[in-house]
Amino acid sequence: GQQVMQIPQYQHVQEGEDFTTYCNSSTTLSNIQWYKQRPGGHPVFLIQLVKSGEVKKQKRLTFQFGEAKKNSSLHITATQTTDVGTYFCAGKYSGGGADGLTFGKGTHLIIQP
Amino acid sequence: DGGITQSPKYLFRKEGQNVTLSCEQNLNHDAMYWYRQDPGQGLRLIYYSQIVNDFQKGDIAEGYSVSREKKESFPLTVTSAQKNPTAFYLCATKSPGQGAYGYTFGSGTRLTVV
Repeated sequence: GQQVMQIPQYQHVQEGEDFTTYCNSSTTLSNIQWYKQRPGGHPVFLIQLVKSGEVKKQKRLTFQFGEAKKNSSLHITATQTTDVGTYFCAGKYSGGGADGLTFGKGTHLIIQP
Repeated sequence: DGGITQSPKYLFRKEGQNVTLSCEQNLNHDAMYWYRQDPGQGLRLIYYSQIVNDFQKGDIAEGYSVSREKKESFPLTVTSAQKNPTAFYLCATKSPGQGAYGYTFGSGTRLTVV
């Protein structure tokens, strides 16, 4: 079936350093969404990217969607302790098959003060 | 206060038992989903429903069943046929339209087989 690969699985950074997580799909995505899950919590929607080459910013977070709509990245500038959690990308495939999103396995962000 | 309520928060099941996880929403969303999350894994789709009285299997439906008799409710039954049911179960809804608001998740139910 369709898969979304996400790397790295874990990322340790010092507070104030930057962080990036990457997602790749072997087939073209209709759109891609990003979610954050705090430890012990549930995923919370961050953003959706739809257009080829799209870049969106939310304060220190920058989201990109590749030109071929097969990859995406999330970059956090100057991490803070509040950024701790797991970041998931979730791709939506067009055409037939099950509805719903295909999630990557997530990147766990661990911040050392 | 709009949202999704999942209950119970923690559930313990004995071998061979069926258990039902509740998911109730007051967001007036048509589409509802059940996902399973295992440690170190992403979320995997179990079942989804786009309208009342209709639902479809997701990627890992075996050993699970659902019903959608009301718009607000989408309960998930974990049957004894599910060989490895210990996991974190998340219910979600999706707003109508272009989906720019993403999926809204409930706080989840942690199921453990004892």
